[in-house]
Amino acid sequence: QSALTQPPSASGSPGQSVTMSCTGTNGDIGDDVHVAWYQHHPGKAPKLVIYEVTRRPSGVPNRFSGSKSGNTASLTVSGLQAEDEADYYCSSYGGVNTVGVLFGGGTKLTVL
Amino acid sequence: QVQLVQSGAEVKKPGASVKVSCKASGYTFTGYYLHWVRQAPGQGLEWMGWINPNSGVTLYAQKFQGRVTMTRDTSVSTAYMEVSTLTSDDTAVYYCARSGLQPLAHWGQGTLVTVSS
Repeated sequence: QSALTQPPSASGSPGQSVTMSCTGTNGDIGDDVHVAWYQHHPGKAPKLVIYEVTRRPSGVPNRFSGSKSGNTASLTVSGLQAEDEADYYCSSYGGVNTVGVLFGGGTKLTVL
Repeated sequence: QVQLVQSGAEVKKPGASVKVSCKASGYTFTGYYLHWVRQAPGQGLEWMGWINPNSGVTLYAQKFQGRVTMTRDTSVSTAYMEVSTLTSDDTAVYYCARSGLQPLAHWGQGTLVTVSS
């Protein structure tokens, strides 16, 4: 199984919205609701910000939202804040062709 | 509250093995799968496998089959992950993480393993 495909970088100014994509296949994102997104600040443990495509864990601001269309999942961060600058990883699990957990290569979000 | 506390940094020589521990607290250890994820320098997250602490059943990513062993000791609520035949490519931060109704919602602090001659 191949890793999910994410663009290496994204950027936006404070207050703006940024959307990051994650492309998989019919065997993972395409036919599976178990898509998650993780925020990772260097030197810290990753943090779950979205699961089951659109759900937010308690404590995660509603500025973070997820969606999916076909084989592509997306994470949107609205009202960008300086602390949102981090690496973001998408993940798929439980799919027909997915053994265990599949991660994307990550997108570095820069807040200008 | 859920806590996963990992063992400290390790420096190993090529060809050696390393065993990282992950001590769980704040929940029923046998009730949730524990996963291991690593991040090499400048690279992304890489899933290595999981262990069911209740049964001891494991599932490894194909890349790590035969070289990684995940075990647990329920008496001390601790999971272990051993990597054998280390190379410089195994230099990475290794994380344990708990899944449940939410995937990988709780993570350990990470353990840096450096492989160097």
